[in-house]
Amino acid sequence: AQTVTQSQPEMSVQEAETVTLSCTYDTSENNYYLFWYKQPPSRQMILVIRQEAYKQQNATENRFSVNFQKAAKSFSLKISDSQLGDTAMYFCAFMSLNTDKLIFGTGTRLQVFP
Amino acid sequence: GAVVSQHPSRVICKSGTSVKIECRSLDFQATTMFWYRQFPKKSLMLMATSNEGSKATYEQGVEKDKFLINHASLTLSTLTVTSAHPEDSSFYICSARGAGMDYGYTFGSGTRLTVV
Repeated sequence: AQTVTQSQPEMSVQEAETVTLSCTYDTSENNYYLFWYKQPPSRQMILVIRQEAYKQQNATENRFSVNFQKAAKSFSLKISDSQLGDTAMYFCAFMSLNTDKLIFGTGTRLQVFP
Repeated sequence: GAVVSQHPSRVICKSGTSVKIECRSLDFQATTMFWYRQFPKKSLMLMATSNEGSKATYEQGVEKDKFLINHASLTLSTLTVTSAHPEDSSFYICSARGAGMDYGYTFGSGTRLTVV
């Protein structure tokens, strides 16, 4: 069974600074997707970034980028130029192409302060 | 972009009654919908997967007789919590994906269920 681990329950960063959230996963599969989702206080789940396992190039979306290390089964999220609106719960998620199911990590609560 | 509407956003019901939560895809046909449960300050736990026109597939440990899922059309899935008890109080979230869509599910805004 696949598992997703986020070892940082809480993180904080000052506005305009950079922060990295960690995620590791365990799977025996070779083809899968990895995601970072953001859940602000509104509780709405918002897709931040997606990485296909077959792609070696790290995904980037504006201020958000990932460091995908397939051999190490590591998928960290870097947020550059942090903004107050980035304050939220961040979930790392794994999806097997065999099952289509999203498996979530336990989440990291990120607080951006002025 | 793809939008999923979930209603109601909040519901309070008496113990022993049933509650229905709706999840609608507004601008795409959702071939697959997922239902999650989220406890306070916890992660999302997948409850079941529903495909249009077929029976839902429940995750291990989820009572299918308590959590009835119906995916009768390509735009609507419902979750009915039957004979609700206080321990069923939780935040329920649906997500949906359509055929041919990039992987990256669209989520509803969630339903806060409180059973008193």
